[in-house]
Amino acid sequence: KQEVTQIPAALSVPEGENLVLNCSFTDSAIYNLQWFRQDPGKGLTSLLLIQSSQREQTSGRLNASLDKSSGRSTLYIAASQPGDSATYLCAVMNSGGSNYKLTFGKGTLLTVNP
Amino acid sequence: DTEVTQTPKHLVMGMTNKKSLKCEQHMGHRAMYWYKQKAKKPPELMFVYSYEKLSINESVPSRFSPECPNSSLLNLHLHALQPEDSALYLCASSRTGLATGELFFGEGSRLTVL
Repeated sequence: KQEVTQIPAALSVPEGENLVLNCSFTDSAIYNLQWFRQDPGKGLTSLLLIQSSQREQTSGRLNASLDKSSGRSTLYIAASQPGDSATYLCAVMNSGGSNYKLTFGKGTLLTVNP
Repeated sequence: DTEVTQTPKHLVMGMTNKKSLKCEQHMGHRAMYWYKQKAKKPPELMFVYSYEKLSINESVPSRFSPECPNSSLLNLHLHALQPEDSALYLCASSRTGLATGELFFGEGSRLTVL
């Protein structure tokens, strides 16, 4: 059974700082890994999708890396802004026979202070 | 258009009521999902429809009944719910089915069962 762990559970940084969020998973037989952002009481916004054959993806100030063999992914946020404050979730897609399941971590609550 | 639209945004119902949650996407996506999210927890998969057929049912109680009238619409019919069913219900879709697709989520329907 896939287990996804995100460290730290919460992070508070001053504005302008670069930061790294970590995600680890126990079963490396994944199809892809996706990073999401969730604001309080809202839905999930997809940030980056990394296929299992890829090592990293970039979008603006965000960079996500994937090391499938070690079961790790990181989300790097450059020059953080107060608007980046949210919960960040990583999710991995495994196959289970003919079914596919997305397993989420519990998230990292990020607060960027002005 | 990269939107998944969910209605209603908020729903309050008694335990004897029958209500429905609706989800719509016009991105031509062929897989649609229902997730349930309790406060401060990650989303939990409930149902997956792939090419309008129910593909995954994560042992959800029968008081939740999904329906996929066509490739753009996904409903969740609710009947005889319990207070512990109060949660944020999230709909998502993906383009190519289950394995490789990036998931796009709606804003959610906040359900309160009295």
